[in-house]
Amino acid sequence: AQSVAQPEDQVNVAEGNPLTVKCTYSVSGNPYLFWYVQYPNRGLQFLLKYITGDNLVKGSYGFEAEFNKSQTSFHLKKPSALVSDSALYFCALTGFQKLVFGTGTRLLVSP
Amino acid sequence: EPEVTQTPSHQVTQMGQEVILRCVPISNHLYFYWYRQILGQKVEFLVSFYNNEISEKSEIFDDQFSVERPDGSNFTLKIRSTKLEDSAMYFCASSKTYGAGNEQFFGPGTRLTVL
Repeated sequence: AQSVAQPEDQVNVAEGNPLTVKCTYSVSGNPYLFWYVQYPNRGLQFLLKYITGDNLVKGSYGFEAEFNKSQTSFHLKKPSALVSDSALYFCALTGFQKLVFGTGTRLLVSP
Repeated sequence: EPEVTQTPSHQVTQMGQEVILRCVPISNHLYFYWYRQILGQKVEFLVSFYNNEISEKSEIFDDQFSVERPDGSNFTLKIRSTKLEDSAMYFCASSKTYGAGNEQFFGPGTRLTVL
């Protein structure tokens, strides 16, 4: 069965510091991995995806994610956090149609 | 930028009542989805819909649930007889393409509260 784990409920980081939001996955076959972000009273917004190719994927708002097959991880990263990055972040994978989500990680960036 | 919209933003209903949640997908998208998130839990897939047919559904999507595209723009989720455990945030999504790696665009959600 496909599954995604986000081991941290919350990540706190100071503005200007690098951030990492962790995600690990379990899937048989090739993984198709996504990161979505949710701001208050907004829908889930697509950030980036990994299908194949380079292990470092660049996405919206300066975010990037590193795919690591041996560690079955797809961690979200940003070199310099902004207060406006504070939101709920979801990792997800898809087999064909449906998205399978992790439980989400709340990112709090302090000024 | 085109967006998926959902109405209402919050629906309160009594147990046993029928509710209809409405969504307007992005206009040139062909694939539609409903997900739900019970407070504090994961976002869970309910159903996908294409060409006026359900293409995949989860075990959550039982006979109490139905979906419909009544016209060229709306996509609805109906719960026939709501239960307390149906209280959740319901998200509609749409995508232009089909298959692994397709990017789904989500609406802001409808919070359903069943009393």
